[in-house]
Amino acid sequence: DGGITQSPKYLFRKEGQNVTLSCEQNLNHDAMYWYRQDPGQGLRLIYYSQIVNDFQKGDIAEGYSVSREKKESFPLTVTSAQKNPTAFYLCASTNPQANQPQHFGDGTRLSIL
Amino acid sequence: ILNVEQSPQSLHVQEGDSTNFTCSFPSSNFYALHWYRWETAKSPEALFVMTLNGDEKKKGRISATLNTKEGYSYLYIKGSQPEDSATYLCASSSGSARQLTFGSGTQLTVLP
Repeated sequence: DGGITQSPKYLFRKEGQNVTLSCEQNLNHDAMYWYRQDPGQGLRLIYYSQIVNDFQKGDIAEGYSVSREKKESFPLTVTSAQKNPTAFYLCASTNPQANQPQHFGDGTRLSIL
Repeated sequence: ILNVEQSPQSLHVQEGDSTNFTCSFPSSNFYALHWYRWETAKSPEALFVMTLNGDEKKKGRISATLNTKEGYSYLYIKGSQPEDSATYLCASSSGSARQLTFGSGTQLTVLP
């Protein structure tokens, strides 16, 4: 079945450590997105990518980095510069020019040890 | 940053009641309005994508309307059922990548 796969489901990070969250889609979507959710808040956009080898900062990109080497993959690295990384992270994809909704993965919950 | 507001923040209704929520968004640079349903332990599921002023869409017992001139959308649920319990998110689309700005959601609980 086509869809978006995020891994791992739960992730623990030590202080000062970088961690990478995986997002893979087999929907042949051009655009991919990373969101962060904190309690009581809506989803906030971290980074997005419209095509391979290109990506743009969203509203809260500081302390995060991404790459888009393949159309199917859009990994997110939470760096040690992100001072408050504990949150729920969602990846999404779509073909935005076709007025399609975004398809979401199941999310990764990141916690600090 | 666009400011998308949803109300109420949470809502409890009895099974069989009809209910509605509001989403307000900046009407300038508007491209599309999305509604999603997000059930606990699942990923958000798309309900509607609406673009035209006066648009009205329906999916079973759920329907939505759109007013782009005044910047609001309503989501209606007729005859609520316990399985309708979820957080309902709206998001406004803008920019060349049609990136979404989400509201904080309305959490609906339908009591049996």
